[in-house]
Amino acid sequence: EIVLTQSPATLSLSPGERATLSCRASQSVSNYLAWYQQKPGQAPRLLIYDASDRATGIPAKFSGSGSGTDFTLTISSLEPEDFAVYYCQQRSNWPLTFGGGTKVEIK
Amino acid sequence: EVQLVESGGGLVQPGGSLRLSCAASGFTFSSYNMNWVRQAPGKGLDWVSYISGSGNTIYYSDSVKGRFTISRDNAKNSLYLQMNSLRDEDTAVYYCARGGRVEWSSLNWFDPWGQGTLVTVSS
Repeated sequence: EIVLTQSPATLSLSPGERATLSCRASQSVSNYLAWYQQKPGQAPRLLIYDASDRATGIPAKFSGSGSGTDFTLTISSLEPEDFAVYYCQQRSNWPLTFGGGTKVEIK
Repeated sequence: EVQLVESGGGLVQPGGSLRLSCAASGFTFSSYNMNWVRQAPGKGLDWVSYISGSGNTIYYSDSVKGRFTISRDNAKNSLYLQMNSLRDEDTAVYYCARGGRVEWSSLNWFDPWGQGTLVTVSS
């Protein structure tokens, strides 16, 4: 099973700041990595797929990068609605697995 | 608009059974692979099961294999999860999530997700 480790667990930032979230895989997943946003009481929403492709309707402030075992989700300038939990997910191999999540909270 | 609506959750005793349903609309259901993903209270996301568009290919996580059964009825645009021999650790919100198109790889991301249905296993 491919283990995804997200860091940091919590990121405390102010609106307008840049957020950089990390996801590291226990073995190469090529570029088969997705990112999701989840707000309290809501279902996850797909942001990025295949490491760097934005899903339909996702604003350009969200960007993804990386390949192999190291990946990054960047939010260029945080807005109030961006404070949430973010998960990465690999689709390189079964079982499909998720990282433990990074909570982006208001500082 | 693509929509997934889960139902069937509730309180069940350990060892009991429950059947979850997911009603799909806004897309050609049979053209997409489907999944169940769960989230224990205050915890992260955990993939549970996958079914191909035709229903011919099925996968389960090790934690539910032999206890849960995924199925679909393309005529009714519906996805199901039969859960037997339920344990305390199965307590979670269960999400129905669309996978990729049938002509793509079975390994895919999840988009969109339903709102989820809560399953509580407790005596």
